[in-house]
Amino acid sequence: DAKTTQPTSMDCAEGRAANLPCNHSTISGNEYVYWYRQIHSQGPQYIIHGLKNNETNEMASLIITEDRKSSTLILPHATLRDTAVYYCIVRRLYNQGGKLIFGQGTELSVKP
Amino acid sequence: DADVTQTPRNRITKTGKRIMLECSQTKGHDRMYWYRQDPGLGLRLIYYSFDVKDINKGEISDGYSVSRQAQAKFSLSLESAIPNQTALYFCATSDWTGWGAETQYFGPGTRLLVL
Repeated sequence: DAKTTQPTSMDCAEGRAANLPCNHSTISGNEYVYWYRQIHSQGPQYIIHGLKNNETNEMASLIITEDRKSSTLILPHATLRDTAVYYCIVRRLYNQGGKLIFGQGTELSVKP
Repeated sequence: DADVTQTPRNRITKTGKRIMLECSQTKGHDRMYWYRQDPGLGLRLIYYSFDVKDINKGEISDGYSVSRQAQAKFSLSLESAIPNQTALYFCATSDWTGWGAETQYFGPGTRLLVL
């Protein structure tokens, strides 16, 4: 699975959009981009995933660049409850091992 | 995710004791996983099961064993607990059906302290 690079930490004002970047310059054509988050000591929570098209669900939007070397997770109206560590993960289409590799992630602090 | 439950949520035990952590899911998924998380570290895979008859070791299986009693239940045992097994333990299930994207859904975790 391709390696990802994320900023260590970010701040965001409550009610504003939070834009979390991720670089995955070695991504290959059969690898998905996933985003999970972990609120302090809780179980990781799936947010969204995509292959090459932009995706949106009730939690967030995922913007993937045309060359697929980077992506951005957008939380459109961040709340205090969105304070968490956000992980960008790249996984092969046919990952037989099943293990999710969580890097260091981005610690997002949403401030009033 | 309420569809994946873990018991107990917190456990304190003593060195040398055998303990079992239980995981149940109502998602109907075949794949289940056990991870541990240590402070400041990422999740590490202990065991995983692709179905009731298929159990595989992860990267840190020594000192642990598992039992897949049914599609919905996957238990983790510490045969003889030691202090460095103090950690946060997560169970997860996966919706993978053999093709396409795979999403893992995690339980709330069990916080284990071995004295």
